Amino acid sequence: LAKTTQPISMDSYEGQEVNITCSHNNIATNDYITWYQQFPSQGPRFIIQGYKTKVTNEVASLFIPADRKSSTLSLPRVSLSDTAVYYCLVGLSGGYNKLIFGAGTRLAVHP
Amino acid sequence: NAGVMQNPRHLVRRRGQEARLRCSPMKGHSHVYWYRQLPEEGLKFMVYLQKENIIDESGMPKERFSAEFPKEGPSILRIQQVVRGDSAAYFCASSPARVNYEQYFGPGTRLTVT
Repeated sequence: LAKTTQPISMDSYEGQEVNITCSHNNIATNDYITWYQQFPSQGPRFIIQGYKTKVTNEVASLFIPADRKSSTLSLPRVSLSDTAVYYCLVGLSGGYNKLIFGAGTRLAVHP
Repeated sequence: NAGVMQNPRHLVRRRGQEARLRCSPMKGHSHVYWYRQLPEEGLKFMVYLQKENIIDESGMPKERFSAEFPKEGPSILRIQQVVRGDSAAYFCASSPARVNYEQYFGPGTRLTVT
């Protein structure tokens, strides 16, 4: 499994764009990159998944460079309710079921 | 469409007692996963089940822990003779297919062992 490295914590202010980068130097050819969000006292929630280049949905964008050794989750115009822990997961290619969570990035959004 | 349901939400047990955690997957989901989360840590995979079958229990301690997902009724994670180190949040997730990166999580059961 590809190991991931993320910043332990980040701070931002309402209305700013937040970019959280995840390093995964040993990513395998068939691996996808997936991000989950977890609010306090709740279970994680799927945000976005991608394989290469850029993926965008109503919540976030995911940027993956050509070498795929890192990825960046971009949250546009964050609000206080985006305060949460964000997990980068790698290694969910075909046949794999269990999600491997690291420590995640604690994002604090301030007024 | 109700989400994944877990009960109880909070459970207090004394050392040596048994803890039973229940999980009802989303409607139409036949794949259930259990995870454990210690304070300030990420979730750790414990076990993956389909109806009446344990598919992967590589993350579950060999002693005192067991899980089942019967043909009828919720999935149950059972911890016998609990110890203080079992205090954690236990999350259940479900998915509609075997190979699925998008798992739907319940609100968790917070187990406290006194």
